Amino acid sequence: DSGVTQTPKHLITATGQRVTLRCSPRSGDLSVYWYQQSLDQGLQFLIQYYNGEERAKGNILERFSAQQFPDLHSELNLSSLELGDSALYFCASSPSEGAGEQFFGPGTRLTVL
Amino acid sequence: AQSVAQPEDQVNVAEGNPLTVKCTYSVSGNPYLFWYVQYPNRGLQFLLKYITGDNLVKGSYGFEAEFNKSQTSFHLKKPSALVSDSALYFCAVRDIPYNQGGKLIFGQGTELSVKP
Repeated sequence: DSGVTQTPKHLITATGQRVTLRCSPRSGDLSVYWYQQSLDQGLQFLIQYYNGEERAKGNILERFSAQQFPDLHSELNLSSLELGDSALYFCASSPSEGAGEQFFGPGTRLTVL
Repeated sequence: AQSVAQPEDQVNVAEGNPLTVKCTYSVSGNPYLFWYVQYPNRGLQFLLKYITGDNLVKGSYGFEAEFNKSQTSFHLKKPSALVSDSALYFCAVRDIPYNQGGKLIFGQGTELSVKP
C-alpha cells in the first residue's frame, strides 16, 4: 500500500457526461501528479500540482481540468466524455519536486459507453 | 526531450533463472531513472531508482539495475526469477529541469512471464 488513495475504483458513464476523480496523497506529500494509462497511448502524464499550484502540464485535453485543494487532495475533472477517454487514471504523489520517486495510487478505471 | 525505450514487449524466463528487462534512455543532462512494476488491476509499485552514485542500484524484492552511461542503458535484473515476479515492468525517466515540475516519462512497458 503506497499511502495514496483514489476514489472511485471504477466509474462507468456515458458519452457527453462529466465525472470527477479524487486523489488523496500520502501524508506530508505536497506534489500530486495525474497520469492516464491506455492501451494505445501507454502511460501519459497529464498534470502536476505542488502545494495548490499548477506546476506542469502534459498532453491534457481542454475538456480535462484539475485542482489541488488546501488539504492537498486533488480532483481531476473530465467533461464531454468520449469513448476514447476510457482508461485507467492514476494519481501519484511525492514529498517535493525533487528527483525522488513518486508513489502511485491504485487508479480509477473509467469506462465511457 | 527526455525519453525511454523498452525494446522488448515480452520477456519469458524459467523460474530460478536470471532475468533481465532492458531499458535505454535519452536525456539532456543528468538522468534520474526509475523502475516500476504493475500487477494486474493494481497501481504502479516503485522498485528502484538511480539518481547518482553507484552504477549498480539495489531495490525491492531482490531486483537490481545497472546504470551504464556510455550505453545509455538502465537494465533491470534479478539473479533468480520467481513465478510471482510475473507482471508488467516500466522504466521511467524524471523530466528536468529540477524544480520545474517532475513528471515521469515512461517506456511502453515489458511484460515479464516467469514459468515454473
